[in-house]
Amino acid sequence: QQQVKQSPQSLIVQKGGISIINCAYENTAFDYFPWYQQFPGKGPALLIAIRPDVSEKKEGRFTISFNKSAKQFSLHIMDSQPGDSATYFCAGHISNFGNEKLTFGTGTRLTIIP
Amino acid sequence: DTAVSQTPKYLVTQMGNDKSIKCEQNLGHDTMYWYKQDSKKFLKIMFSYNNKELIINETVPNRFSPKSPDKAHLNLHINSLELGDSAVYFCASSQGAGGFYEQYFGPGTRLTVT
Repeated sequence: QQQVKQSPQSLIVQKGGISIINCAYENTAFDYFPWYQQFPGKGPALLIAIRPDVSEKKEGRFTISFNKSAKQFSLHIMDSQPGDSATYFCAGHISNFGNEKLTFGTGTRLTIIP
Repeated sequence: DTAVSQTPKYLVTQMGNDKSIKCEQNLGHDTMYWYKQDSKKFLKIMFSYNNKELIINETVPNRFSPKSPDKAHLNLHINSLELGDSAVYFCASSQGAGGFYEQYFGPGTRLTVT
């Protein structure tokens, strides 16, 4: 059962443009929605995270928009740069009596072209 | 100073063999995890340990056995390796439980079973 659906699978954006990656979730027990960034040959690293009682969170060029009623959230990368080229994963987090669990989306390979 | 380290980085072995992957974290975290990333980049949790106690076991074949000798180490032993075990295995750690804590991932171990 894929609890977090992510789209698109791959995305090509010109330098300076806006990159948008979308996710939809099913499990309303998720208590946090993080985004992870993974460069080739490296492990994923936390980029930004949002709680479900907040509609938007911004950190630098990265913004999460969250729509609780639609059970959807998205990552916006403003002024996209070649260094942003990586695979991005959205996730849902559950914490249940010490049982911490991340359920990841299927990933989006982002390529920023000059 | 490496936060989460794994050895080896690459592992090539034949079907039927037994192998181990080692993980160490120097962040003082209480919780450690093993994830499997398949050829399509899908990232899925396998196990989590909190203070050396197994918390999550995500329907992983019992050929996979994690061992946590202390809070800083979580090793993964795999018996009777199969072709389908070929993947990148990531170790991760986080500060605690009962809320959202960033998970720090290691660099991964690429396992190839021939």
